[in-house]
Amino acid sequence: EAGVTQSPTHLIKTRGQQATLRCSPISGHTSVYWYQQALGLGLQFLLWYDEGEERNRGNFPPRFSGRQFPNYSSELNVNALELEDSALYLCASRRTGTGLYEQYFGPGTRLTVT
Amino acid sequence: AQSVSQHNHHVILSEAASLELGCNYSYGGTVNLFWYVQYPGQHLQLLLKYFSGDPLVKGIKGFEAEFIKSKFSFNLRKPSVQWSDTAEYFCAVNANSGNTPLVFGKGTRLSVIA
Repeated sequence: EAGVTQSPTHLIKTRGQQATLRCSPISGHTSVYWYQQALGLGLQFLLWYDEGEERNRGNFPPRFSGRQFPNYSSELNVNALELEDSALYLCASRRTGTGLYEQYFGPGTRLTVT
Repeated sequence: AQSVSQHNHHVILSEAASLELGCNYSYGGTVNLFWYVQYPGQHLQLLLKYFSGDPLVKGIKGFEAEFIKSKFSFNLRKPSVQWSDTAEYFCAVNANSGNTPLVFGKGTRLSVIA
């Protein structure tokens, strides 16, 4: 079974630009979560999508947004990039259902804002 | 709000030493508990999980964790560490329904020396 995949692996942008990160969940998983792993801050929840809808968002400004497509893949968009957005962005997927609570993580996209 | 505390930022052990990493959580309800591991250059992997039942759970690679409800703790243990256990370890919690994002601790870096 293929794992969660993310693209690109690395992304370098300039302050003020926009970044788009992509995630493909494990086959059969309908929920996708996005987390930010910034140096010294640990993993912080960004967004959760399930069945194409945004279910929850973390304490991040509106310039962090995303969507989930009919095939359950997902995109994270970060507008008006700031230097502190530099981080590893992780995507996780989960098969929804009673007792199915584990989230499986992808390798991440390393975003560097200069 | 949920929170997770991992008391040790960096632990250094010799091979064959015993390991215990502390994790305490704050949440006013029934929870799911997880330990994830991030080996150098690799993505987050699920080490073990607790949803209900026996509070002593066994995971991969000889790791185990004990859920002590009265102490809001879920400490990770291994009787004898190996050099290959060098990694960052994250404790995480979410609501028992599974329909909430994971809240992570800030991680504990384990260095195992020969």
